[in-house]
Order: sequence, then C-alpha cells, then structure tokens
Amino acid sequence: GAGVSQSPRYKVAKRGQDVALRCDPISGHVSLFWYQQALGQGPEFLTYFQNEAQLDKSGLPSDRFFAERPEGSVSTLKIQRTQQEDSAVYLCASSPAGGSYEQYFGPGTRLTVT
Amino acid sequence: GDSVTQMEGPVTLSEEAFLTINCTYTATGYPSLFWYVQYPGEGLQLLLKATKADDKGSNKGFEATYRKETTSFHLEKGSVQVSDSAVYFCALGKTGRRALTFGSGTRLQVQP
Repeated sequence: GAGVSQSPRYKVAKRGQDVALRCDPISGHVSLFWYQQALGQGPEFLTYFQNEAQLDKSGLPSDRFFAERPEGSVSTLKIQRTQQEDSAVYLCASSPAGGSYEQYFGPGTRLTVT
Repeated sequence: GDSVTQMEGPVTLSEEAFLTINCTYTATGYPSLFWYVQYPGEGLQLLLKATKADDKGSNKGFEATYRKETTSFHLEKGSVQVSDSAVYFCALGKTGRRALTFGSGTRLQVQP
C-alpha cells in the first residue's frame, strides 16, 4: 500500500516568507508526527497529533511554527516569517493505533531559506 | 531529559567485514529501543526494535540486544554488503510520550 507522502519535496523560500508543508499519512493511521532534521543530525520532535487533536506541541521552536490536522488525516506544517535557521528537512511520520511506537516516515521536505 | 548517543561516523568497512555501531541511552523508566536506517535518497525505515530488557531485535542480518545494565543497544551485523551503505539512527520511545528521541546518526560506507 501507499506509504507516507510529503509535498513539496523541496522548497526554497526567501527570508520572511511563509511556507506550508503537507503530509499525507498512511490511510487509517491515527497518530501523526512532525520532526525537524538539521544537516548531519538526527530528527528532532516538533509536534504530535492523535486523529485531529494536537496532543503535544512541545517541540515547536517558536510561535512562528504552526501545525494542523483538521480532519484527522492530512496535516500541514506552516512556518511564518521564515528565518535562515529554519533551513532543514521536515519529516512526517504516522503510526497506527495501539501501544506500538513503530513510526512510518515520509521522504521529507527539504526547506532552504535564503 | 532523555537522550541517545551514537558513535560518530563515517564508519568505512570492506564487504563481508563485521559491523558494530554503538548506541547508549539515558532515560527514566523502561523505554523501547529502535534502529532506523536511511538509504541514500530515501526516507527513514524501521530496521529493528526491542521493547524490554534482554530482548534481541533482528532483521536483514542485523541484530541488537537491549542491555539495561549498560543502557546500550549496539547494532551488529556479521558480514556487511555494499547495499548496507546508509545512515543508521538509534532511537528510543517511552510510554506516555509517543515521540521518538533519536541519536545523531552514523554513516556506514561499505566498499567492494
């Protein structure tokens, strides 16, 4: 079946622009996660949804970052007034219901802020 | 807070060599432990996992044993192939916080 998809795969933004990154999780997966991966580093948690509820947003680095999942399926990560330090790969992952922590990752969106 | 420490790379090996990538963790409670692999141009894929102490995860010839006494989860493979060249990430997950905590990754390069 289809895996997690993300779009766009690459995004170049001028500093100060707003961007929106989309994630389509695996159909039926209840949990959805966003991570930020800087060059040469491991992914770092940003936020977590269970269905449409955002249960944890403790990893969002500033109030310029906003995520939503209004119908419990597709999610959008929005970054307002982008800064150079926002340049990174943004990963989306989904997970089925239940106690497993196994997460399925999308290919990521590489954001470059110039 | 929770953290994962991996050996720095790159690790360069010849084909059929033995592989060890070290991973240690710091966490309260009893985390589940994972190895994820990222092949060039692809997304992260779960390689193996272990959910309690002394469990051994295995997949595709790779193994890792959850050692609570040494807080370690080292990845091993007896004979690597060129196709194993990738970046390997150790991670932990805990009850009540579903997000994973990742190490910084170890790049493996296998030469023919």
